[in-house]
Amino acid sequence: LAKTTQPISMDSYEGQEVNITCSHNNIATNDYITWYQQFPSQGPRFIIQGYKTKVTNEVASLFIPADRKSSTLSLPRVSLSDTAVYYCLVGVYNTDKLIFGTGTRLQVFP
Amino acid sequence: AAGVIQSPRHLIKEKRETATLKCYPIPRHDTVYWYQQGPGQDPQFLISFYEKMQSDKGSIPDRFSAQQFSDYHSELNMSSLELGDSALYFCASSTTSGGQETQYFGPGTRLLVL
Repeated sequence: LAKTTQPISMDSYEGQEVNITCSHNNIATNDYITWYQQFPSQGPRFIIQGYKTKVTNEVASLFIPADRKSSTLSLPRVSLSDTAVYYCLVGVYNTDKLIFGTGTRLQVFP
Repeated sequence: AAGVIQSPRHLIKEKRETATLKCYPIPRHDTVYWYQQGPGQDPQFLISFYEKMQSDKGSIPDRFSAQQFSDYHSELNMSSLELGDSALYFCASSTTSGGQETQYFGPGTRLLVL
Protein backbone atom coordinates (compact mmCIF):
# COMPACT_ATOMS: atom_id res chain seq x y z
CA LEU A 1 0.00 0.00 0.00
CA ALA A 2 1.36 3.38 -0.98
CA LYS A 3 2.51 5.67 1.81
CA THR A 4 0.91 9.08 1.98
CA THR A 5 2.21 12.39 3.25
CA GLN A 6 -0.06 15.24 4.30
CA PRO A 7 0.47 18.48 6.20
CA ILE A 8 0.01 17.91 9.90
CA SER A 9 -2.22 20.93 10.35
CA MET A 10 -3.89 23.79 8.49
CA ASP A 11 -5.77 26.87 9.60
CA SER A 12 -8.51 28.67 7.72
CA TYR A 13 -11.35 31.11 8.21
CA GLU A 14 -15.02 30.63 7.62
CA GLY A 15 -16.06 31.12 4.01
CA GLN A 16 -12.66 30.38 2.56
CA GLU A 17 -11.76 27.55 0.24
CA VAL A 18 -9.39 25.01 1.74
CA ASN A 19 -7.10 22.81 -0.29
CA ILE A 20 -5.33 19.90 1.38
CA THR A 21 -2.65 18.21 -0.69
CA CYS A 22 -1.56 14.63 -0.19
CA SER A 23 1.60 13.12 -1.67
CA HIS A 24 1.66 9.48 -2.70
CA ASN A 25 4.74 9.05 -4.86
CA ASN A 26 4.57 5.25 -4.87
CA ILE A 27 0.96 4.92 -5.89
CA ALA A 28 0.32 1.76 -7.88
CA THR A 29 -1.69 1.39 -11.04
CA ASN A 30 -4.60 -0.26 -9.22
CA ASP A 31 -4.67 2.19 -6.32
CA TYR A 32 -7.53 4.57 -5.66
CA ILE A 33 -7.38 7.72 -3.54
CA THR A 34 -9.91 8.14 -0.79
CA TRP A 35 -10.44 10.91 1.75
CA TYR A 36 -12.09 10.56 5.13
CA GLN A 37 -13.06 13.18 7.72
CA GLN A 38 -12.96 12.52 11.44
CA PHE A 39 -14.34 14.60 14.30
CA PRO A 40 -13.07 14.02 17.84
CA SER A 41 -14.33 10.76 19.33
CA GLN A 42 -16.33 9.93 16.21
CA GLY A 43 -15.83 7.38 13.47
CA PRO A 44 -14.20 8.49 10.22
CA ARG A 45 -16.65 9.63 7.58
CA PHE A 46 -16.15 9.00 3.85
CA ILE A 47 -15.81 12.22 1.87
CA ILE A 48 -14.71 11.40 -1.65
CA GLN A 49 -12.84 8.88 -3.76
CA GLY A 50 -11.16 9.09 -7.15
CA TYR A 51 -8.72 7.48 -9.53
CA LYS A 52 -7.68 10.29 -11.87
CA THR A 53 -8.58 13.81 -13.04
CA LYS A 54 -11.33 15.45 -11.04
CA VAL A 55 -14.16 14.16 -8.92
CA THR A 56 -16.82 16.36 -7.35
CA ASN A 57 -19.67 15.64 -4.98
CA GLU A 58 -21.90 17.74 -2.77
CA VAL A 59 -19.22 18.04 -0.11
CA ALA A 60 -15.85 18.38 -1.83
CA SER A 61 -13.78 18.10 -4.96
CA LEU A 62 -10.79 15.87 -5.52
CA PHE A 63 -8.12 16.86 -8.01
CA ILE A 64 -5.67 14.23 -9.23
CA PRO A 65 -2.93 15.16 -11.73
CA ALA A 66 -2.00 12.90 -14.59
CA ASP A 67 0.97 11.32 -12.81
CA ARG A 68 -1.27 10.56 -9.77
CA LYS A 69 1.63 11.13 -7.39
CA SER A 70 -0.41 13.62 -5.43
CA SER A 71 -4.00 14.62 -4.90
CA THR A 72 -5.76 17.69 -3.53
CA LEU A 73 -8.94 17.71 -1.51
CA SER A 74 -10.80 20.97 -1.98
CA LEU A 75 -13.41 22.11 0.51
CA PRO A 76 -15.40 25.12 -0.75
CA ARG A 77 -16.38 27.83 1.70
CA VAL A 78 -15.55 26.06 4.93
CA SER A 79 -17.51 26.60 8.10
CA LEU A 80 -16.65 26.07 11.75
CA SER A 81 -18.17 22.60 11.54
CA ASP A 82 -15.49 21.57 9.04
CA THR A 83 -12.92 21.64 11.83
CA ALA A 84 -11.74 18.03 11.86
CA VAL A 85 -8.92 15.68 10.89
CA TYR A 86 -8.78 14.77 7.21
CA TYR A 87 -7.17 11.52 6.10
CA CYS A 88 -5.87 10.71 2.64
CA LEU A 89 -5.74 6.99 1.95
CA VAL A 90 -4.39 5.13 -1.03
CA GLY A 91 -5.25 1.54 -1.68
CA VAL A 92 -6.33 -1.04 -4.13
CA TYR A 93 -9.87 -0.70 -5.33
CA ASN A 94 -12.14 -2.80 -3.13
CA THR A 95 -9.27 -3.64 -0.82
CA ASP A 96 -10.29 -4.94 2.54
CA LYS A 97 -8.60 -2.65 4.98
CA LEU A 98 -8.01 1.08 5.26
CA ILE A 99 -4.49 2.11 6.23
CA PHE A 100 -4.65 5.46 7.97
CA GLY A 101 -1.56 7.64 7.99
CA THR A 102 -1.19 10.86 9.90
CA GLY A 103 -4.06 13.05 8.84
CA THR A 104 -4.33 16.82 8.49
CA ARG A 105 -5.88 18.64 11.38
CA LEU A 106 -7.93 21.50 9.91
CA GLN A 107 -8.91 24.31 12.23
CA VAL A 108 -11.51 26.78 10.95
CA PHE A 109 -11.74 30.12 12.72
CA PRO A 110 -14.68 32.53 12.71
CA ALA B 1 -30.66 6.14 6.74
CA ALA B 2 -29.57 3.32 9.02
CA GLY B 3 -26.01 3.48 10.26
CA VAL B 4 -23.55 1.13 11.88
CA ILE B 5 -24.48 0.43 15.49
CA GLN B 6 -21.94 -0.34 18.15
CA SER B 7 -22.50 -1.38 21.73
CA PRO B 8 -21.70 -0.56 24.34
CA ARG B 9 -20.66 3.02 23.66
CA HIS B 10 -18.54 3.16 26.79
CA LEU B 11 -16.92 0.38 28.77
CA ILE B 12 -14.74 0.41 31.84
CA LYS B 13 -12.78 -2.70 32.74
CA GLU B 14 -9.92 -3.64 35.00
CA LYS B 15 -6.65 -5.22 33.98
CA ARG B 16 -6.86 -8.91 33.15
CA GLU B 17 -10.62 -8.76 32.65
CA THR B 18 -12.40 -9.58 29.42
CA ALA B 19 -14.57 -7.40 27.21
CA THR B 20 -16.91 -8.01 24.31
CA LEU B 21 -17.70 -5.30 21.80
CA LYS B 22 -20.58 -5.66 19.40
CA CYS B 23 -21.13 -4.26 15.94
CA TYR B 24 -24.31 -4.25 13.88
CA PRO B 25 -23.59 -3.34 10.24
CA ILE B 26 -25.77 -1.36 7.94
CA PRO B 27 -28.54 -3.63 6.58
CA ARG B 28 -27.42 -5.63 3.53
CA HIS B 29 -23.76 -4.91 4.21
CA ASP B 30 -21.81 -8.14 4.16
CA THR B 31 -18.37 -6.99 5.31
CA VAL B 32 -17.34 -5.81 8.74
CA TYR B 33 -14.06 -4.22 9.82
CA TRP B 34 -12.63 -3.45 13.24
CA TYR B 35 -10.25 -0.58 13.94
CA GLN B 36 -8.52 0.58 17.11
CA GLN B 37 -7.68 4.22 17.76
CA GLY B 38 -5.53 5.03 20.76
CA PRO B 39 -5.44 8.48 22.34
CA GLY B 40 -3.98 10.98 19.89
CA GLN B 41 -3.33 8.27 17.34
CA ASP B 42 -4.70 7.35 13.94
CA PRO B 43 -7.08 4.42 13.46
CA GLN B 44 -5.35 1.06 13.06
CA PHE B 45 -6.93 -1.86 11.26
CA LEU B 46 -7.46 -4.95 13.38
CA ILE B 47 -9.47 -7.52 11.45
CA SER B 48 -12.25 -7.90 8.89
CA PHE B 49 -14.92 -10.40 7.93
CA TYR B 50 -16.74 -11.06 4.70
CA GLU B 51 -19.75 -13.33 4.64
CA LYS B 52 -18.89 -14.62 8.12
CA MET B 53 -15.34 -15.60 7.16
CA GLN B 54 -12.23 -13.73 8.24
CA SER B 55 -11.04 -11.84 5.19
CA ASP B 56 -8.02 -9.91 6.46
CA LYS B 57 -6.02 -9.46 9.60
CA GLY B 58 -4.00 -6.54 10.83
CA SER B 59 -2.24 -5.74 14.05
CA ILE B 60 -4.65 -7.57 16.28
CA PRO B 61 -3.16 -9.02 19.49
CA ASP B 62 -3.50 -12.74 20.07
CA ARG B 63 -5.54 -11.87 23.16
CA PHE B 64 -8.26 -10.55 20.86
CA SER B 65 -10.58 -12.60 18.71
CA ALA B 66 -13.54 -11.74 16.57
CA GLN B 67 -16.26 -13.35 14.56
CA GLN B 68 -19.15 -12.49 12.31
CA PHE B 69 -22.48 -14.19 12.84
CA SER B 70 -25.19 -15.37 10.47
CA ASP B 71 -27.07 -12.08 10.86
CA TYR B 72 -23.82 -10.30 9.89
CA HIS B 73 -23.28 -8.67 13.23
CA SER B 74 -19.78 -9.01 14.63
CA GLU B 75 -18.24 -9.26 18.06
CA LEU B 76 -14.72 -8.40 19.15
CA ASN B 77 -13.65 -10.37 22.19
CA MET B 78 -10.78 -9.04 24.23
CA SER B 79 -9.19 -11.04 27.02
CA SER B 80 -6.49 -10.37 29.60
CA LEU B 81 -7.02 -6.66 29.13
CA GLU B 82 -4.01 -4.39 29.50
CA LEU B 83 -3.83 -0.68 30.22
CA GLY B 84 -2.66 -0.13 26.65
CA ASP B 85 -5.91 -1.54 25.30
CA SER B 86 -7.65 1.66 26.37
CA ALA B 87 -8.79 3.15 23.09
CA LEU B 88 -11.69 3.86 20.80
CA TYR B 89 -12.78 0.80 18.87
CA PHE B 90 -14.55 1.43 15.60
CA CYS B 91 -16.51 -0.96 13.51
CA ALA B 92 -17.12 -0.25 9.85
CA SER B 93 -19.25 -2.02 7.30
CA SER B 94 -19.38 -2.09 3.54
CA THR B 95 -20.83 -3.80 0.55
CA THR B 96 -19.67 -3.97 -3.02
CA SER B 97 -22.38 -2.04 -4.79
CA GLY B 98 -21.82 -1.13 -8.40
CA GLY B 99 -18.17 -1.99 -8.02
CA GLN B 100 -17.34 0.67 -5.43
CA GLU B 101 -16.71 -0.22 -1.83
CA THR B 102 -17.07 2.50 0.78
CA GLN B 103 -16.60 1.79 4.46
CA TYR B 104 -19.11 3.35 6.81
CA PHE B 105 -17.96 3.72 10.38
CA GLY B 106 -19.93 3.37 13.57
CA PRO B 107 -19.77 5.79 16.50
CA GLY B 108 -17.22 3.64 18.30
CA THR B 109 -16.87 2.02 21.70
CA ARG B 110 -14.64 3.81 24.16
CA LEU B 111 -12.85 1.25 26.29
CA LEU B 112 -11.06 2.30 29.43
CA VAL B 113 -8.89 -0.25 31.21
CA LEU B 114 -7.99 0.61 34.79
